[in-house]
Amino acid sequence: KNEVEQSPQNLTAQEGEFITINCSYSVGISALHWLQQHPGGGIVSLFMLSSGKKKHGRLIATINIQEKHSSLHITASHPRDSAVYICAVLYSGGGADGLTFGKGTHLIIQP
Amino acid sequence: DVKVTQSSRYLVKRTGEKVFLECVQDMDHENMFWYRQDPGLGLRLIYFSYDVKMKEKGDIPEGYSVSREKKERFSLILESASTNQTSMYLCASFSTGEGYGYTFGSGTRLTVV
Repeated sequence: KNEVEQSPQNLTAQEGEFITINCSYSVGISALHWLQQHPGGGIVSLFMLSSGKKKHGRLIATINIQEKHSSLHITASHPRDSAVYICAVLYSGGGADGLTFGKGTHLIIQP
Repeated sequence: DVKVTQSSRYLVKRTGEKVFLECVQDMDHENMFWYRQDPGLGLRLIYFSYDVKMKEKGDIPEGYSVSREKKERFSLILESASTNQTSMYLCASFSTGEGYGYTFGSGTRLTVV
């Protein structure tokens, strides 16, 4: 099965730092999702991208289709951003079995 | 807002019990999914359904079955619960039409003792 690779696996940073989480995938996709999961919580969809860049508050997601790579950036990070961030892709012509998930990046923002 | 509702947030069951996990979505999505999430393994697909009464095995269907009698409801069944089925279970729905996108439920943390 096609893989989705995320890095880093774990990230600890100080409040206010600029955060970047990376995601790479292997073949053509129709969409890429960035998901957020707080400890013990359900999953929330942050962004769905098929090209370019999207911004929501302090969160920015970019995708480079040619390089098969996406990044999630958090500006002016805050302890409430501490969560697991998951990249997931919907492969082109991938059938009805839905998203392929990365293993997630566990982010801790210390005050 | 699209809502995917899972009936239980936390569940404790005994080994050998039959367990039902219920998932309901309110946006007429065709596709519904059941995943389990384990540390270090990420989300793994158990079963999915693309229409009423249709079901397909995912990557780890062993020990599970599903039922989709109505479009809005997708049930995951553990026929005889075992301790290795202790996990977080997440339901999701997906539309390829209007309202395109994935929506996840809040998860059920199941402990089998």
